[in-house]
Amino acid sequence: AQTVTQSQPEMSVQEAETVTLSCTYDTSESNYYLFWYKQPPSRQMILVIRQEAYKQQNATENRFSVNFQKAAKSFSLKISDSQLGDTAMYFCAFIQEGGSEKLVFGKGTKLTVNP
Amino acid sequence: DAGVIQSPRHEVTEMGQEVTLRCKPISGHDYLFWYRQTMMRGLELLIYFNNNVPIDDSGMPEDRFSAKMPNASFSTLKIQPSEPRDSAVYFCASSPEGSWALDEQYFGPGTRLTVT
Repeated sequence: AQTVTQSQPEMSVQEAETVTLSCTYDTSESNYYLFWYKQPPSRQMILVIRQEAYKQQNATENRFSVNFQKAAKSFSLKISDSQLGDTAMYFCAFIQEGGSEKLVFGKGTKLTVNP
Repeated sequence: DAGVIQSPRHEVTEMGQEVTLRCKPISGHDYLFWYRQTMMRGLELLIYFNNNVPIDDSGMPEDRFSAKMPNASFSTLKIQPSEPRDSAVYFCASSPEGSWALDEQYFGPGTRLTVT
């Protein structure tokens, strides 16, 4: 079974600094998708960034980028120029292509951006 | 589009009572998912539907939980009888097709359930 591990329960960063959130996953499949979701205090789950496993190029979305290491099964999220609004829980998620529609989530990392 | 709509946003009930959570998916989405989020277990998939048909309910914790989707625009998750350990945030999400495609799952705002 696929598993997703986020080893950092909590992190903090100063406003305007850069922070990296870690995620590792375990799968025997070669085709899959990886996601980072943000959950602010409002509790709504918001998709931050998505990576297709067959793409070697790391995905980027404005201040958010990933470091995808397929061989190491690692998928870290880098937030540049951190803003107070980035304070939230961040979840890493995995889904196998062509298989079950189940998203497998990590337990999350609570990020606090300090002024 | 209004996005995925869930109601109520908050629910407080006493142990033993029946609880019904409601979800309206995004119009045109064929898949609907129910998730439960707790501090201990993180986010867990409970059940999902494709074209109103339950496909996989292996995540439903026990027989006290049931879910229905009578039509493409409405789904319910029912807990009867409720227990304090059911306290969690319950999310509904929808997807226009298999979520491994370029489209992702769109989450509702969640329902915070507290069972006393």
